[in-house]
Amino acid sequence: TQLLEQSPQFLSIQEGENLTVYCNSSSVFSSLQWYRQEPGEGPVLLVTVVTGGEVKKLKRLTFQFGDARKDSSLHITAAQPGDTGLYLCAGEEAGGTSYGKLTFGQGTILTVHP
Amino acid sequence: NAGVTQTPKFRILKIGQSMTLQCAQDMNHNYMYWYRQDPGMGLKLIYYSVGAGITDKGEVPNGYNVSRSTTEDFPLRLELAAPSQTSVYFCASSSRRDNTGELFFGEGSRLTVL
Repeated sequence: TQLLEQSPQFLSIQEGENLTVYCNSSSVFSSLQWYRQEPGEGPVLLVTVVTGGEVKKLKRLTFQFGDARKDSSLHITAAQPGDTGLYLCAGEEAGGTSYGKLTFGQGTILTVHP
Repeated sequence: NAGVTQTPKFRILKIGQSMTLQCAQDMNHNYMYWYRQDPGMGLKLIYYSVGAGITDKGEVPNGYNVSRSTTEDFPLRLELAAPSQTSVYFCASSSRRDNTGELFFGEGSRLTVL
């Protein structure tokens, strides 16, 4: 069973601060996805990274896939209250046919205070 | 745009009762999944399907059953409910056209077993 360790589990910051969420594993993933989930709703995809070393930017969010495709990070610049939510990383097993089955990290609950 | 629709949204069961969580998608996706989400544990895969008539176990299948008679529907059956099955259940679907496959989630079904 593949494991994804996500940290920190909780993050409470003030508006305007920067933050980084980490997602680490000893396993290699063919791709890694980041989702954001709001209370009472299902997760919604933010980004998919597939190439080792890849960096993707989505406005104030920067996503990086590790060179060895075992880890990833999400960096938010100048956080805003609207960024509040649960952030989940999810990896798809490398090698063979995984049929899109994802292994999820435990999630990071981010609260941004005005 | 309906996307993935789950019913019911909330349900309370007594120990030993059975029930079916319904899931329907209107995006003509071949791949469908059932996850459960427990606090601080991320999402765990229960069952998945790669097309009508084909299902397979995920990481935590015990106590559950699924069927996939059509492309659109993927119901999850709980037999002999136990308190350990108290959770939020999410159904998801994916097209996997680009072989990475964003998961589209329903809004979730919150189940309590007393």
